[in-house]
Amino acid sequence: QVQLQESGPGLVKPSQTLSLTCVVSGGSINRGDYYWSWIRQSPGKGLEWLGYVYFTGTTYYKPSLKSRVIISVDTSMNHFSLRLTSMTAADTAVYHCARGLAANGAYYFDQWGPGTLVTVSS
Amino acid sequence: YELTQPPSVSVSPGQTASITCSGDKLGDKYACWYQQKPGQSPVLVIYQGTKRPSGIPGRFSGSSSGNTATLTISGTQAMDEADYYCQAWDISTAVVFGGGTKLTVL
Repeated sequence: QVQLQESGPGLVKPSQTLSLTCVVSGGSINRGDYYWSWIRQSPGKGLEWLGYVYFTGTTYYKPSLKSRVIISVDTSMNHFSLRLTSMTAADTAVYHCARGLAANGAYYFDQWGPGTLVTVSS
Repeated sequence: YELTQPPSVSVSPGQTASITCSGDKLGDKYACWYQQKPGQSPVLVIYQGTKRPSGIPGRFSGSSSGNTATLTISGTQAMDEADYYCQAWDISTAVVFGGGTKLTVL
């Protein structure tokens, strides 16, 4: 059973860049079946997808965040990472990494990390 | 592209709960559904519109038609009380989630 685990700072100052890593265990990130995503959830709010990276390094970002998001993959370390620039209080959220699949016109997330709370504050 | 869900749905134990998700031509987009309990990560309960992942009880089912996808929970149990999110893929916005529905089992 594959497991995902996020790591990174719990506190980021306004205007700084957030860097998070998601370690994938119990399975290879190299498999072509999967797309590796970051999804966040602001306190008391719904889910917001930020983007994904494929094992080849190909990325796809939420259009409205495209200028601020970079997602990368390190297949040798079996992990992928998120960088989110110009952080503001509105970016305070629990950040989840997740494994996505695309099949028959559908796209869905079958495995999620537990999430890590990131607070933006000076 | 937007997906719209009712903020809340209430159901009595043992009864059937239906949670809707509306979006333009959603029936063509194979919506999926997630259950999220407080303090936990979302869990996939329906994918490709109607399929249940291994380990998800048979009382969970999905359907869709036109602009609406529906998650149905038959014989609802207290343990089903949670937030439920629909999600789909659209060429304009990529992955999109509905705003979530809080299911209360009274």
